[in-house]
Amino acid sequence: DTEVTQTPKHLVMGMTNKKSLKCEQHMGHRAMYWYKQKAKKPPELMFVYSYEKLSINESVPSRFSPECPNSSLLNLHLHALQPEDSALYLCASSQSSGGRVDTQYFGPGTRLTVL
Amino acid sequence: KNQVEQSPQSLIILEGKNCTLQCNYTVSPFSNLRWYKQDTGRGPVSLTIMTFSENTKSNGRYTATLDADTKQSSLHITASQLSDSASYICVVSKNTGGFKTIFGAGTRLFVKA
Repeated sequence: DTEVTQTPKHLVMGMTNKKSLKCEQHMGHRAMYWYKQKAKKPPELMFVYSYEKLSINESVPSRFSPECPNSSLLNLHLHALQPEDSALYLCASSQSSGGRVDTQYFGPGTRLTVL
Repeated sequence: KNQVEQSPQSLIILEGKNCTLQCNYTVSPFSNLRWYKQDTGRGPVSLTIMTFSENTKSNGRYTATLDADTKQSSLHITASQLSDSASYICVVSKNTGGFKTIFGAGTRLFVKA
């Protein structure tokens, strides 16, 4: 199984809502990532989890809160978002995050719209 | 400054034709270079990954080349198909013992019948 799944596929939320994005992989990967991608732009790294611990936070605003409950799951909790946070949110996983020759497997993404 | 530049920004070709996409990088120290294909609204899918010692790697109709001396890579697509229409992203990783990956802006390829 080389699949990374993400739910929901689409999400529309108001600026006062609290919602969560979910990501799951069963490849035994120990590194998981959240990316944000705006239209016609490359993905931008937000967070990296390595062995279920947060290893990189690319100065992401606190209204985005990641969580890694176990080695297969990665969540992104959303609260008090702004319309400019509307984007495609991609989850990815890889064997490790140590700069080795690892392919990142991406999920299909969650299309988020903030009203 | 660590940068990955791709050209052209967009490309239109006829079905059945070949094309070549370019990627130039200034990332150092170099670890590996990957090409991804991304359909609109979907996650990127890995096509090839190459390390410093590899010059060429193929995946079906996709062939990637790497010249680590000039810091250039290319992705050649043979006998294009309508389903090749997508964005192709070049991604370069630094070898610092920690994670650092730089994405190119991508080339949008349109294959017309």
